[in-house]
Amino acid sequence: GENVEQHPSTLSVQEGDSAVIKCTYSDSASNYFPWYKQELGKGPQLIIDIRSNVGEKKDQRIAVTLNKTAKHFSLHITETQPEDSAVYFCAATNAGGTSYGKLTFGQGTILTVHP
Amino acid sequence: DTEVTQTPKHLVMGMTNKKSLKCEQHMGHRAMYWYKQKAKKPPELMFVYSYEKLSINESVPSRFSPECPNSSLLNLHLHALQPEDSALYLCASSQDLSVDGEIYGYTFGSGTRLTVV
Repeated sequence: GENVEQHPSTLSVQEGDSAVIKCTYSDSASNYFPWYKQELGKGPQLIIDIRSNVGEKKDQRIAVTLNKTAKHFSLHITETQPEDSAVYFCAATNAGGTSYGKLTFGQGTILTVHP
Repeated sequence: DTEVTQTPKHLVMGMTNKKSLKCEQHMGHRAMYWYKQKAKKPPELMFVYSYEKLSINESVPSRFSPECPNSSLLNLHLHALQPEDSALYLCASSQDLSVDGEIYGYTFGSGTRLTVV
């Protein structure tokens, strides 16, 4: 089955700095890579995603890059703000013969942005 | 409506109690999921329903019993739980591939914080 490794496990930055979280996946059949942000006491919220036919995607201060050959993808947050503090999970997905995508999560990164 | 609604938000139950968690979505998603999440860990898949039929049971103990009464509702019935079952229980839903052939991200609810005493 799919295995997703995520690094670092904790990341501390000053407000205004950039933050980068990296993930690698094992299954070359995975073709959809979402990123989730989870704030304390809440469920994970989808913040950005990328499909295997795209190398980079940007949405305001967040961007995701994908290197299919190396099987790794990264989340980039620029101009970080204290409200970006949360746990971030990467995930890899493939249909695996089903009519939905089976999600495999990374272990998570606790991001702390200091004012 | 782009939300997954879970009730209750918090639940404390004794080891001999029977309780149920409820999940509802009106996005037309035909796949629905139950996840269990311990503190500082990623969500762990428990069950998947696809078109109201149980598709995946990740070897979950029988004291957890899922039910999908219709395409909008998902329940998780709890009976004789153990203290180690205390966790955040998350429901999620996703669009079926048959809509446009693409996989889409899951929409998660806010979860039920379960404490077993």
